Amino acid sequence: DIVMTQTPLSSPVTLGQPASISCRSSQSLVHSDGNTYLSWLQQRPGQPPRLLIKKISDRFSGVPDRFSGSGAGTDFTLKISRVEAEDVGVYYCMQATQFPLTFGGGTKVEIK
Amino acid sequence: QVQLVQSGAEVKKPGASVKVSCKASGYTFTSYDINWVRQATGQGLEWMGWMNPNSGNTGYAQKFQGRVTMTRNTSIRTAYMELNSLRSEDTAVYYCAREPPDGSGSFYNWGQGTLVTVSS
Repeated sequence: DIVMTQTPLSSPVTLGQPASISCRSSQSLVHSDGNTYLSWLQQRPGQPPRLLIKKISDRFSGVPDRFSGSGAGTDFTLKISRVEAEDVGVYYCMQATQFPLTFGGGTKVEIK
Repeated sequence: QVQLVQSGAEVKKPGASVKVSCKASGYTFTSYDINWVRQATGQGLEWMGWMNPNSGNTGYAQKFQGRVTMTRNTSIRTAYMELNSLRSEDTAVYYCAREPPDGSGSFYNWGQGTLVTVSS
């Protein structure tokens, strides 16, 4: 199985400041079809997860443009340009390049 | 708007089975795959498998092979996940999620979750 490792575990951020989350996979996520199936999800307290970013950097419908994704191969990053109070929660990366689909352990974003 | 509404919380004894439903609305049910993901309390996310509601084709994570069955009833736009031989470690919130049939793993929408508690 592909292991997804996220850092940091926790990210205390001042409102209005940027935040960055790293995700590393144990093997390349480039699929044989040329796509890289790496997504980012947000889970607010008490809520189901919500899709933010698909295929590394493609922001999902309705997601604010302060969220951006980047990376390639085995190293990926989610950035929040200016953290708002509603961004508090746990963020997960997920790979769908190879079965079984696997998730990172999560990064908790909280306000300082 | 797109909605996935799941069945209510369940309490089961070890060795029993549970069947969770996921009723879809706001889109063509047979045009998107349904995945199931679970989350133990305070823990991360774990993918269980997927189902194509059009064909009924399924794919399960090795960990759940032989214990999980994913089915659907297209007439009532509902997907089901049944897990057998329950043990305490199966206590978790179970989510269904809608995915386009391109294998991208982009889970566009999620159900609200169903808490399954396994306890003697």
